[in-house]
Amino acid sequence: EVQLLESGGGLVQPGGSLRLSCAASGFTFSNFVMSWVRQAPGKGLEWVSAISGSGGSTYYADSVKGRFTISRDNSKNTLYLQMNSLRAEDAAVYYCAKLPATATTFDYWGQGTRVTDSS
Amino acid sequence: QSALTQPRSVSGSPGQSVTISCTGTSSDVGGYNYVSWYQQHPGKAPKLMIYDVSKRPSGVPDRFSGSKSGNAASLTISGLQAEDEADYYCCSYAGSYTWVFGGGTKLTVL
Repeated sequence: EVQLLESGGGLVQPGGSLRLSCAASGFTFSNFVMSWVRQAPGKGLEWVSAISGSGGSTYYADSVKGRFTISRDNSKNTLYLQMNSLRAEDAAVYYCAKLPATATTFDYWGQGTRVTDSS
Repeated sequence: QSALTQPRSVSGSPGQSVTISCTGTSSDVGGYNYVSWYQQHPGKAPKLMIYDVSKRPSGVPDRFSGSKSGNAASLTISGLQAEDEADYYCCSYAGSYTWVFGGGTKLTVL
């Protein structure tokens, strides 16, 4: 059974940093593209970032480019999102999502971790 | 990376059919047959309901169907049931390993 468990959320001040983690199990982690999707309070879903199975290729939404860094440790089956220079509008629930082999959709989602603006 | 356009809300009675539209551009919906739909109940994670425009993952009832024409896609739910009441989001691949979501549609089962 595929399981994705996010952690690392919390209260942050504008300009601060936070690192999110997503522990994966139930599939061969290194074989699949992984992604982060966020949802601001009362708002819709927003794709944030994706990373290839090897970790060698990374992709970002314009809204986070230059501030967020996605990475993965395939030996630990863990996905990360380093968030720097945080803004109020980055407050959201951050979901970790797995893509299938075709990488055309998000087939499994974690339960999310909440990043809250302290201002 | 502009969001896809969805109606804010739709409603229907049990047993009826409803259709949710999703409009994009030739750079996303119109350019790829990679539209997916997600169901999200309050406080829960999104769940994949339709992928690659019209394919259903294992376990999703065949009451859910998807289609696409040009820059617009749609999700149809037939034989509405109370448990279908949720938010629904469309999503399209937009090239170069980027994706764009719709703003979401709240489905109310009357």
